[in-house]
Amino acid sequence: DSGVTQTPKHLITATGQRVTLRCSPRSGDLSVYWYQQSLDQGLQFLIQYYNGEERAKGNILERFSAQQFPDLHSELNLSSLELGDSALYFCASSERTGPEQYFGPGTRLTVT
Amino acid sequence: GQNIDQPTEMTATEGAIVQINCTYQTSGFNGLFWYQQHAGEAPTFLSYNVLDGLEEKGRFSSFLSRSKGYSYLLLKELQMKDSASYLCAVRGGNTPLVFGKGTRLSVIA
Repeated sequence: DSGVTQTPKHLITATGQRVTLRCSPRSGDLSVYWYQQSLDQGLQFLIQYYNGEERAKGNILERFSAQQFPDLHSELNLSSLELGDSALYFCASSERTGPEQYFGPGTRLTVT
Repeated sequence: GQNIDQPTEMTATEGAIVQINCTYQTSGFNGLFWYQQHAGEAPTFLSYNVLDGLEEKGRFSSFLSRSKGYSYLLLKELQMKDSASYLCAVRGGNTPLVFGKGTRLSVIA
């Protein structure tokens, strides 16, 4: 158990819908990262927040957005969902000084 | 940009040694990481190299050559539970981790 929690574990929704994925980092970790993992693309970095502010952006679609709240939990919002958005979405957190990222158990999103 | 290459699949025998290679191209370098990921589960951290050389941690070792853009993960005394995907990841100058597509290792009896 990494100490990072993600909800929900599974999510099934229809095309065109909007969903919100939630992540709570390890106690004391200020950085939160979101990744998307699909079968053919591997683990793709989406976005990073540090202490409430956006720190880095990767291959995140305009239909996707994220935020980190004052209590440091983060939410990833996915809208106008398409079949190709079906994937595992991981959240990770890290200490301010350490290099290692600790991954949550992931949310499996299925868009039908 | 960054590019990471590693073999797609490997098979090895229980009790043996296996080496998983990773080559990378990156603008700026701030560390190379290896993660293990069992199917459907979260990646878990295995090792971190930022300087050239070998880092040993139990049955697992990781090597880095920055001049060659090359790393390998060495797994000794393979066990069936080592069957998993092994992800090589690089952190560039000011960028977060970029992951390779992973090497799926199958350990057979």
